[in-house]
Amino acid sequence: EVQLVESGGGLVQPGGSLRLSCAASGFIFSDHYMDWVRQAPGKGLEWVGRSRNKANSYTTEYAASVKGRFSISRDDSKNSLYLQMNSLKIEDTAVYYCARSVYGGSYSDQFDFWGQGTLVTVSS
Amino acid sequence: DIQMTQSPSAMSASVGDRVTITCRASQGISNSLAWFQQKPGKVPKRLIYAASSLQSGVPSRFSGSGSGTEFTLTISSLQPEDFATYYCLHYKSYPLTFGQGTKMEIK
Repeated sequence: EVQLVESGGGLVQPGGSLRLSCAASGFIFSDHYMDWVRQAPGKGLEWVGRSRNKANSYTTEYAASVKGRFSISRDDSKNSLYLQMNSLKIEDTAVYYCARSVYGGSYSDQFDFWGQGTLVTVSS
Repeated sequence: DIQMTQSPSAMSASVGDRVTITCRASQGISNSLAWFQQKPGKVPKRLIYAASSLQSGVPSRFSGSGSGTEFTLTISSLQPEDFATYYCLHYKSYPLTFGQGTKMEIK
């Protein structure tokens, strides 16, 4: 059974940093791209960024709203995905989800499984 | 960046109704589109990928169509459990972008 479990959310002051984790199980994590998606309270979904797999050199992509402040990394030996968030702004307040993504060049697995989300609150 | 415009932003319908939600891309995205359903306090659930491929386990009353810039999600006979918010997502290029959502309410 595919499972994604996020952790690391909490309350942080503007300008602060936080690191989210996503623990994956039930599938070959190292073969998949992985994504982060967020949802501000009462708002819609926003794609945050993507980590490609080892075969694609673990390269990353980001939304303009977080580029230069957020960084995605992964540890395939621990089946874990990370989101390092720096210079946090009030508008970064949201539930952050990790999601399984592209596998083997096919988009059939993209966003088929999501974690339960972790809440990040940026406030003074 | 490719913008996704969903319509309507909200709608009310009755059980048994046939409903259609539209998503328009600001430029052609071939069939690189997915649809999601999200209920309050719950995780988004993928319904459709590649514009018209039904996710395993999703009822056949859900269907997707379209290519290029215009896409539709159709629910052939609305059920009580279908009242939720629906989002489209393009994945043709970076950044990926979601539509703003369509909130489906009970009439």
